Amino acid sequence: DTGVSQDPRHKITKRGQNVTFRCDPISEHNRLYWYRQTLGQGPEFLTYFQNEAQLEKSRLLSDRFSAERPKGSFSTLEIQRTEQGDSAMYLCASSTRGTSNTGELFFGEGSRLTVL
Amino acid sequence: GNSVTQMEGPVTLSEEAFLTINCTYTATGYPSLFWYVQYPGEGLQLLLKATKADDKGSNKGFEATYRKETTSFHLEKGSVQVSDSAVYFCALDPNTGNQFYFGTGTSLTVIP
Repeated sequence: DTGVSQDPRHKITKRGQNVTFRCDPISEHNRLYWYRQTLGQGPEFLTYFQNEAQLEKSRLLSDRFSAERPKGSFSTLEIQRTEQGDSAMYLCASSTRGTSNTGELFFGEGSRLTVL
Repeated sequence: GNSVTQMEGPVTLSEEAFLTINCTYTATGYPSLFWYVQYPGEGLQLLLKATKADDKGSNKGFEATYRKETTSFHLEKGSVQVSDSAVYFCALDPNTGNQFYFGTGTSLTVIP
């Protein structure tokens, strides 16, 4: 088991461009989360999936952000028409949590986005 | 609602000093509580957890006790090492289905 992997690790883009991040969770994990972290802050929830179903999105999440998890395996997070305020570390996490148990989150190393 | 309030840093300690990082929470229901650690250049890793009141989580010499009466989950270590230098995050899982809530993190630097 190689843990949660994210790609790319670093992305520099110009304002207005689209970017896509990929996350490969731990294989048996049914839940996948996306968080955003800016300097000096804790992770901020963006969205999560149980298997292939996107069950919740943050109300603060712009409609420029979209996430998918086809077939309940890897996930992608796309940001359209990037803005400088989108510069952050994008974290992916997975867990095995079911309906009644507590499952810790396993994080990837993150994808750092810089918007110029 | 659900939230986590964490002691602000940065914290600088000498090696072998005692560490406390305060964490208090607000939650509906019966949350589980976690401490995550982020070493420089690495992702967040679970340090310890407690799933019900009065549980004590422990790992690598760190401890935290889930105190429902004071809604706290303070992190402690009796003797810190240089290798403990990292950012520590307190987190809450409300066990109502969805997201985890994180504190803002406390940066710890341990000097020899």
